[in-house]
Amino acid sequence: KQEVTQIPAALSVPEGENLVLNCSFTDSAIYNLQWFRQDPGKGLTSLLLIQSSQREQTSGRLNASLDKSSGRSTLYIAASQPGDSATYLCAPSGNTPLVFGKGTRLSVIA
Amino acid sequence: SAVISQKPSRDICQRGTSLTIQCQVDSQVTMMFWYRQQPGQSLTLIATANQGSEATYESGFVIDKFPISRPNLTFSTLTVSNMSPEDSSIYLCSVYNPRSGETQYFGPGTRLLVL
Repeated sequence: KQEVTQIPAALSVPEGENLVLNCSFTDSAIYNLQWFRQDPGKGLTSLLLIQSSQREQTSGRLNASLDKSSGRSTLYIAASQPGDSATYLCAPSGNTPLVFGKGTRLSVIA
Repeated sequence: SAVISQKPSRDICQRGTSLTIQCQVDSQVTMMFWYRQQPGQSLTLIATANQGSEATYESGFVIDKFPISRPNLTFSTLTVSNMSPEDSSIYLCSVYNPRSGETQYFGPGTRLLVL
């Protein structure tokens, strides 16, 4: 059964700082891995989708990497902004529904 | 891509009553799921909604408490039965086509408060 761990659980940084969120998973037999953002009381917003054959994926200030063999992914956020404040969820996907980590709660202070 | 709508978007219910949540997708999808997100927690899978047959429930969830229907490839319902305050959560419908290379899509969620 897939288990997902996200570190750190919470992070508070000053505006403009670059930061890295970590995700590890136990079952490397995945098709892809997704990073989501969730604002308080809201649904999920898909940020990045990395296919299992890819090493990384970029969208604007976001860069996600995937090391499938070691069961790790990182989400890099450059030049963080207060609007980036949210919970970030990692979810690897195989032949079964997405399994979510508990997320990293990010707060960017202006 | 898939666009998912859920009804109701939120509700306040009394203990002991039941609520049925609807999920409508704008295209045919292979797999449909229901997730629960309790306050301050991450998402937990409740069940996979199977077309034309009984849903497949995850450990800790049972059909009597969370009956699910999926009459076709674009629609599903989740009922939360005999509700208690512990059922207060966001319930999310999700769809996925494995091996399509696409993301798993999520509905906007139904926010339920049980008094």
